[in-house]
Parts: sequence; C-alpha cells; structure tokens
Amino acid sequence: AQSVSQHNHHVILSEAASLELGCNYSYGGTVNLFWYVQYPGQHLQLLLKYFSGDPLVKGIKGFEAEFIKSKFSFNLRKPSVQWSDTAEYFCAVGSGNTGKLIFGQGTTLQVKP
Amino acid sequence: NAGVTQTPKFQVLKTGQSMTLQCAQDMNHEYMSWYRQDPGMGLRLIHYSVGAGITDQGEVPNGYNVSRSTTEDFPLRLLSAAPSQTSVYFCASSYRPGAAIDEQYFGPGTRLTVT
Repeated sequence: AQSVSQHNHHVILSEAASLELGCNYSYGGTVNLFWYVQYPGQHLQLLLKYFSGDPLVKGIKGFEAEFIKSKFSFNLRKPSVQWSDTAEYFCAVGSGNTGKLIFGQGTTLQVKP
Repeated sequence: NAGVTQTPKFQVLKTGQSMTLQCAQDMNHEYMSWYRQDPGMGLRLIHYSVGAGITDQGEVPNGYNVSRSTTEDFPLRLLSAAPSQTSVYFCASSYRPGAAIDEQYFGPGTRLTVT
C-alpha cells in the first residue's frame, strides 16, 4: 500500500535558522508530490508541487523542495525561517493510477522570535 | 467562486446518532475527497470520488458512507456515530487532468464531537 512518512514530528527553530523537513514515500509508479501548510486556525493550502521536469521546485514564501527519485524523497527546505512560518506542514503523494492523495503525519514547526 | 464549502462548522452528536456532513464546490472539479485530521496522525483519507456516480474507499472508510450524484456535491454520512469519530473533517476537491491529481482545494473543516 502507498504510504508517506515525515520523519520530524515537531521542530523548533529560531528565526533566521535554515529548515529542512524530510518526506519519504513508498510507491513505485508515477507520482505527483505536494507540500501543504496549515497555519494555526486555518485550513490547508498548497506550498508547492512537483509533477515532472526539474526536480527542484520552488513554492510560495521562499520554500523549495527537491525530488530525489532514487531515494523516494521530497524534502522541504527554506534557507531562513520567520516567526510567521509557524505552522503544520504536510507532505502528500498523489498516484495517477489510483487517483488518491495520501498525506504524511505532518510536522509541527515552531519558530521562536 | 465560493471554492469548497462545508456545513456545519461544529457539531456535537451522541453515540449512535447519524448525521450528514455537507460539502460543495463550484469549480467544476472532478475529484473530491473527505479526510479526517487527528493529532499526530495527519490527514487520513476516508472516501474519494473521481467523478459523479463514482466513489471509492480511502484509508479509513469504516463507519462512513458517501455518494456523488452531482459534480458539485459530496456529502459524508456517519451511520452510527462513535466517540472514535471525534475529529476535524475536511473536504477537498481538485481538477484531475488525465489520471493525475492536481492541487487540492480544502474546505474550512467541520469539528465533530461524539459523546
């Protein structure tokens, strides 16, 4: 069965620190990859997505992610976090064959001012 | 466009009661889905639909029923509520180009408590 694993459940950083959140998935076929963010009290919104082409994708608010097919990974990065990045981050994998979107468990990021 | 709308926002049920969570989208999206969000477990897919008249089970379908009679609406029915169904429920929709899944648009959620 498809699964998505996010290694860090809770991350605490100071402002200006660099961020990397891990995401690994298990599925051998063609996949579409996403990172979503949920700010406190709000619903999920898309940060970035990868369908094909350049494996380094850039999203909103300075976030980027790199798809490494050989490692089944799609890690999220940001060079310098801000207090406003405090949120929960979800990695998700969409399978063209099954038509389903599966989410990871989420990573709570707390940025200290 | 209103996007994805959900009603109600909050609901308290007693064990054994049934109810329907409503979800509607006005973007003519083919794909719609229901998730539940629980602390430490992320979002888990309950049911999904790739078009009117077509539904399928997700990761946690037990205790829930869906139907998709129109493109716009995708209600989720709780047949006999249990405390384990206390959760926040999100409906989402997306355009589905070919066999791929595009960005999902989420509704504001329904916070359900079963006592």
